[in-house]
Amino acid sequence: QKEVEQNSGPLSVPEGAIASLNCTYSDRGSQSFFWYRQYSGKSPELIMFIYSNGDKEDGRFTAQLNKASQYVSLLIRDSQPSDSATYLCAGGDSNYQLIWGAGTKLIIKP
Amino acid sequence: DTEVTQTPKHLVMGMTNKKSLKCEQHMGHRAMYWYKQKAKKPPELMFVYSYEKLSINESVPSRFSPECPNSSLLNLHLHALQPEDSALYLCASSQDRQGMGNSPLHFGNGTRLTVT
Repeated sequence: QKEVEQNSGPLSVPEGAIASLNCTYSDRGSQSFFWYRQYSGKSPELIMFIYSNGDKEDGRFTAQLNKASQYVSLLIRDSQPSDSATYLCAGGDSNYQLIWGAGTKLIIKP
Repeated sequence: DTEVTQTPKHLVMGMTNKKSLKCEQHMGHRAMYWYKQKAKKPPELMFVYSYEKLSINESVPSRFSPECPNSSLLNLHLHALQPEDSALYLCASSQDRQGMGNSPLHFGNGTRLTVT
């Protein structure tokens, strides 16, 4: 069964530090990966997506993909209290399936 | 502001009621989706419309009935729901089919549904 795994947390990070969120996937056919941020009671908001090996940076966010090791990560630099949310990782394959992780709850401590 | 608009934001309905959820997107996307999300769980796919045709129906009970009047609109008709159907219902759209490299999902703000 295809799976995307995330540590449910909570992950507690001091304000201003780097938050590192990780995700592993079981299906080598997965090609694209998406990170969503979801505040409590709100809908998921796209943060970044990545489909090539290596790093992709957007402002304070960096997504990293390592297909050989089957993991994808999201780094948040200079973490702010407003970054406190649940972060969902999802992997897409060539059959148009999108497999979701359970999400990691991130808490940024002032 | 989100570019995928869902109405209503909140809905309370009895088990004998008939109601509809509405979704509209103005991004020219060709795929639209209904997801259901329970608390502390990831979104769960219900239906996919691709080029206005139903392409995926994830074995959803018939008390949920999707409709895609045109490429910008998506409805979800609800009838005889059960209390366990209470959840956040999310509409999403994407340029192409979900999971493709440059085709991320864009979610609406959701409808919080409570079935009494």
